[in-house]
Amino acid sequence: DTGVSQDPRHKITKRGQNVTFRCDPISEHNRLYWYRQTLGQGPEFLTYFQNEAQLEKSRLLSDRFSAERPKGSFSTLEIQRTEQGDSAMYLCASSSTTGDTEAFFGQGTRLTVV
Amino acid sequence: SQQGEEDPQALSIQEGENATMNCSYKTSINNLQWYRQNSGRGLVHLILIRSNEREKHSGRLRVTLDTSKKSSSLLITASRAADTASYFCATDPNTGNQFYFGTGTSLTVIP
Repeated sequence: DTGVSQDPRHKITKRGQNVTFRCDPISEHNRLYWYRQTLGQGPEFLTYFQNEAQLEKSRLLSDRFSAERPKGSFSTLEIQRTEQGDSAMYLCASSSTTGDTEAFFGQGTRLTVV
Repeated sequence: SQQGEEDPQALSIQEGENATMNCSYKTSINNLQWYRQNSGRGLVHLILIRSNEREKHSGRLRVTLDTSKKSSSLLITASRAADTASYFCATDPNTGNQFYFGTGTSLTVIP
């Protein structure tokens, strides 16, 4: 296991289409986080899971955004009816709940809505 | 907001000089983490300091934490051109397990 993996790395979509991103965390990590980052800004927290439970989702940007982690391993982030303002880098991170709790990030998925 | 705020927003130094950037936050925390991000790339974890720690070292990095002032500093000694990046602090408030980022310090190290 070499770290957090995100797929795809880049996505270009037309406005109004739905998109889904995947994140595979570090295998022994039970916490998984999603962030959004726009140019020149720090990552903005969206949601996080502990195992399969989504423990915080109030920061999801609208009801067009949803995330799942059905088996407590990989997670998906879906954006429905994309808008140009959704263009951003979407970052996933994972961490453990024991010992050192550093969060490790994937390389992100860059979404461009045209 | 529970975000940290980094200061300065931008910093430009000559190679070999030390770089210091600061982070202030608003709520009590469990720990504070520093990350580096090269342009257009993911974040690289640098160091985590717990709320009961005051100073931590890792290679050329030195981090301090003052919980009474709700602030932290990151010192990079003997900077290199490869240290050019944005640096973010992330705070883990003890009201939950999510963590929040500031807007970052953009560091440029001139060869």
